[in-house]
Amino acid sequence: EDKVVQSPLSLVVHEGDTVTLNCSYEVTNFRSLLWYKQEKKAPTFLFMLTSSGIEKKSGRLSSILDKKELSSILNITATQTGDSAIYLCAVEALGQNFVFGPGTRLSVLP
Amino acid sequence: DGGITQSPKYLFRKEGQNVTLSCEQNLNHDAMYWYRQDPGQGLRLIYYSQIVNDFQKGDIAEGYSVSREKKESFPLTVTSAQKNPTAFYLCASRTPGQTNTEAFFGQGTRLTVV
Repeated sequence: EDKVVQSPLSLVVHEGDTVTLNCSYEVTNFRSLLWYKQEKKAPTFLFMLTSSGIEKKSGRLSSILDKKELSSILNITATQTGDSAIYLCAVEALGQNFVFGPGTRLSVLP
Repeated sequence: DGGITQSPKYLFRKEGQNVTLSCEQNLNHDAMYWYRQDPGQGLRLIYYSQIVNDFQKGDIAEGYSVSREKKESFPLTVTSAQKNPTAFYLCASRTPGQTNTEAFFGQGTRLTVV
């Protein structure tokens, strides 16, 4: 059975800290790994990582895919209170639907 | 603006009632999905549809039903057979195919049993 695990499940930091969120997966015929940010309602897309694109960066956020270790990390530098959200990791296998992890709840205190 | 619209935002259901959650998209996406989100459990797939007039059960389909009569619309009915329906429901859409594409989500419907 395909599985996606995220850690930590919850994290509290102060503004300016750097955080690393982890996602590991067990799927057959891996196709892509996606990161989403969910603040209150709709998850919004952050990054997609594939075999041909294992590293992505946008502003203070960056993500790396380690296909050998079947995992990915999402880094956020110089955190702000607006980064407080649930960060969801999802994995797609060939011919399958997305499998989502439980999410990491990040709280950034002023 | 293109996007996915879910309604209502909040819904209260009495025991034994069927309720229908609406999901409409104008992104011209072929595939649509319904997820259920409970605290600490991420998103679980209820039903999905890859094309009009066709849909498949996801991981937790029991107590739910769907229809896909139009490309733009994918309503979800929570039936009285669903014993624990209180949750946050998210609808998503995407264009499947050879090119990796992300899913776009609606704003969700929070369903509460009273």
